[in-house]
Amino acid sequence: GAGVSQSPRYKVAKRGQDVALRCDPISGHVSLFWYQQALGQGPEFLTYFQNEAQLDKSGLPSDRFFAERPEGSVSTLKIQRTQQEDSAVYLCASSSTRGNYGYTFGSGTRLTVV
Amino acid sequence: GESVGLHLPTLSVQEGDNSIINCAYSNSASDYFIWYKQESGKGPQFIIDIRSNMDKRQGQRVTVLLNKTVKHLSLQIAATQPGDSAVYFCAENIIGAQKLVFGQGTRLTINP
Repeated sequence: GAGVSQSPRYKVAKRGQDVALRCDPISGHVSLFWYQQALGQGPEFLTYFQNEAQLDKSGLPSDRFFAERPEGSVSTLKIQRTQQEDSAVYLCASSSTRGNYGYTFGSGTRLTVV
Repeated sequence: GESVGLHLPTLSVQEGDNSIINCAYSNSASDYFIWYKQESGKGPQFIIDIRSNMDKRQGQRVTVLLNKTVKHLSLQIAATQPGDSAVYFCAENIIGAQKLVFGQGTRLTINP
């Protein structure tokens, strides 16, 4: 497609449940980023992929968070044993360059943990 | 964001007026700055960017000013329209880091 596609758009999870969030970047884009956006806040970096390599995962808040991009295209962000503080919008962005230039963001997945 | 912040969380202007949104940053190692617009239920949308070797850049109805001496960034929107109503974020790229650091955001409301 023409843009970055994320699914599902909305996810409600019971505390303790595992969730998987999907990102389809723009075809051919080398770089892929995940950000977490709490209500009323700016996005905060979670992790960065260059093709299939996860080059930076310094923003992942705990070992319950895991991201992968096995074939260098689609990426999945997995959160195990969700907690209420995980409630946020999870944004995916992709770029044709190696770096922070020319990002295109998806519309995000709004995760609510109840 | 750890090092990027905004002076005003909300701003209301009359349609047709100009608006200025401000941003302060603290990391002198930042080499690239971007303004994003985010509408409700959507991801951030690129508006304009500027590199640290510039102090001004203009786009269509938007101008970004960078003052490295006081670590200040601003976004000027000319002749505001109802469609400009959104939350605006500044973001900075820190040299060597593969991430953007975002500010908290300013909500701009255009009054008819």
